[in-house]
Amino acid sequence: NAGVMQNPRHLVRRRGQEARLRCSPMKGHSHVYWYRQLPEEGLKFMVYLQKENIIDESGMPKERFSAEFPKEGPSILRIQQVVRGDSAAYFCASSSSAGNVDTQYFGPGTRLTVL
Amino acid sequence: AQSVSQHNHHVILSEAASLELGCNYSYGGTVNLFWYVQYPGQHLQLLLKYFSGDPLVKGIKGFEAEFIKSKFSFNLRKPSVQWSDTAEYFCAVNARNYGGSQGNLIFGKGTKLSVKP
Repeated sequence: NAGVMQNPRHLVRRRGQEARLRCSPMKGHSHVYWYRQLPEEGLKFMVYLQKENIIDESGMPKERFSAEFPKEGPSILRIQQVVRGDSAAYFCASSSSAGNVDTQYFGPGTRLTVL
Repeated sequence: AQSVSQHNHHVILSEAASLELGCNYSYGGTVNLFWYVQYPGQHLQLLLKYFSGDPLVKGIKGFEAEFIKSKFSFNLRKPSVQWSDTAEYFCAVNARNYGGSQGNLIFGKGTKLSVKP
């Protein structure tokens, strides 16, 4: 029973490049969440998606960040024109029901380093 | 706004010592409560959770937590720690029927536990 998969595990980008982070939820899960963890900080919620719909993006920076969860394929978190402050670990989680009544299971994370 | 406080940044214990990690949250309504653990080099794993019912919940690996509603607390305990419990522990809260997000987990900053053999 595969858990939540994320790739790549490590990603290095230069300032101004684009970063694409992928998340495949657990089998049977249609709810996906993205969180960001800065050094010495806890995880901060970014966005909550359910197949083809963004349910809540209140934690997402207004510019340069976008997320999608298409009908087929993984969820993608896209960061355009990366800056050094985007360096962080990005975690994806999934659940089978809405997050306020179900448990979220986490992937291994993608560590983004911006040079 | 909701927030979660974990009182200890780093705890160092010897094997067989008892453990209690504090977690307090700020939200007046109904909450779901979680403890996650992150072992070195691994991803977050669910340790235990509270949704309703008995406020004393038991999790994996001998961990338990007690929900005290009047104190807005959900402290994690283990009677006797092992070297293999060395990890970072995160408390998280999700508000049910919250006016905004239905999926937003609020995390504490984490407590690093080091167990000396």
